[in-house]
Amino acid sequence: DADVTQTPRNRITKTGKRIMLECSQTKGHDRMYWYRQDPGLGLRLIYYSFDVKDINKGEISDGYSVSRQAQAKFSLSLESAIPNQTALYFCATSGGTADNEKLFFGSGTQLSVL
Amino acid sequence: AQSVTQLDSQVPVFEEAPVELRCNYSSSVSVYLFWYVQYPNQGLQLLLKYLSGSTLVKSINGFEAEFNKSQTSFHLRKPSVHISDTAEYFCAVMNTGFQKLVFGTGTRLLVSP
Repeated sequence: DADVTQTPRNRITKTGKRIMLECSQTKGHDRMYWYRQDPGLGLRLIYYSFDVKDINKGEISDGYSVSRQAQAKFSLSLESAIPNQTALYFCATSGGTADNEKLFFGSGTQLSVL
Repeated sequence: AQSVTQLDSQVPVFEEAPVELRCNYSSSVSVYLFWYVQYPNQGLQLLLKYLSGSTLVKSINGFEAEFNKSQTSFHLRKPSVHISDTAEYFCAVMNTGFQKLVFGTGTRLLVSP
């Protein structure tokens, strides 16, 4: 089983709809991140959380919100989806006793907003 | 704040040829440097990292990168590429005091026979 699991793998939605992307991890890491990937722009940080009570905005948080329900779960919500939020979304974790600085990525969620 | 520049969006190369993927960074404080690789339809995986010590770091599959503080660079090299190296490569930087990773825009390495 994957250490960092994202659901769904693919999602098509319409403009204005609320959508939630979920991420769960079995690595026991405290730190979790949400990135989006766009062609030619690389990965950009949306939100990150260093523990259950700590939530921080990244460089492109407008239009998004997050919830850290437990150490192992970190969900990303689009309150009212718009077409320019069409992208590949990645969840990542870090914080083990070894390789503390290394990020472990999920397989991604491809989101299309029509 | 940190930033990363990868000037080459795509690098085509023939199999068994050498390759260099360029990365320059900007930061006012000490940083850690990374190369991540993304194979088609997969998430990112750490390829190699520089934290401290020797400025030349190597991966298990033949890639190496050298940290050059004076030129603020961390270029990735491989003396002989394989078809299986076809992927997108991301350079990234992290402030040593703050665990937030900033990525470059990526370089797509295309290896052909």
